[in-house]
Amino acid sequence: NAGVTQTPKFRVLKTGQSMTLLCAQDMNHEYMYWYRQDPGMGLRLIHYSVGEGTTAKGEVPDGYNVSRLKKQNFLLGLESAAPSQTSVYFCASRLRGMSNQPQHFGDGTRLSIL
Amino acid sequence: TQLLEQSPQFLSIQEGENLTVYCNSSSVFSSLQWYRQEPGEGPVLLVTVVTGGEVKKLKRLTFQFGDARKDSSLHITAAQPGDTGLYLCAGGNNDYKLSFGAGTTVTVRA
Repeated sequence: NAGVTQTPKFRVLKTGQSMTLLCAQDMNHEYMYWYRQDPGMGLRLIHYSVGEGTTAKGEVPDGYNVSRLKKQNFLLGLESAAPSQTSVYFCASRLRGMSNQPQHFGDGTRLSIL
Repeated sequence: TQLLEQSPQFLSIQEGENLTVYCNSSSVFSSLQWYRQEPGEGPVLLVTVVTGGEVKKLKRLTFQFGDARKDSSLHITAAQPGDTGLYLCAGGNNDYKLSFGAGTTVTVRA
């Protein structure tokens, strides 16, 4: 039972490079989320999706794009990486419904931008 | 600006001691969740509280939701090294999103 799987687990980029982080869930969840976690700042929402083909901005969306072409996958893209985007990125998913539904998280992608 | 403020930021105690972590806000939430995160892993849900004044127990962990649904606390009795981790509170308001606190890092020394 995989749950939420994130790839890659680690990545080092140079400033200006682009990359895509992949999140896959096998729980048939409708809602999916991308967060970044920085020391002392908790989890901040980047973008989220409430269904296939739909995406919305979260708290810190600048510099990121997302796509949800299939229900089970949620992609996070960095078009031109900047050192300020060095962080740990977490994907989460949950069932539709009220916000008291639990979010299920992947184990994160550790991204360093040099 | 964090909607949810957690205190303390760090807590280090000896095995067998008790501890309390606080989560406060000026906003009302319809539900409050507590997650625990271990190094190298994602957060895992511990509990959800939805009613003002609600108290839930999970073995040695006791969770309370404030009467006004603006604050919550997590109390651990007789802490063990396995309780070590980052504790995050998160508030929801019947929409798609959660607002997370910055977390409390708990270290229990053997």
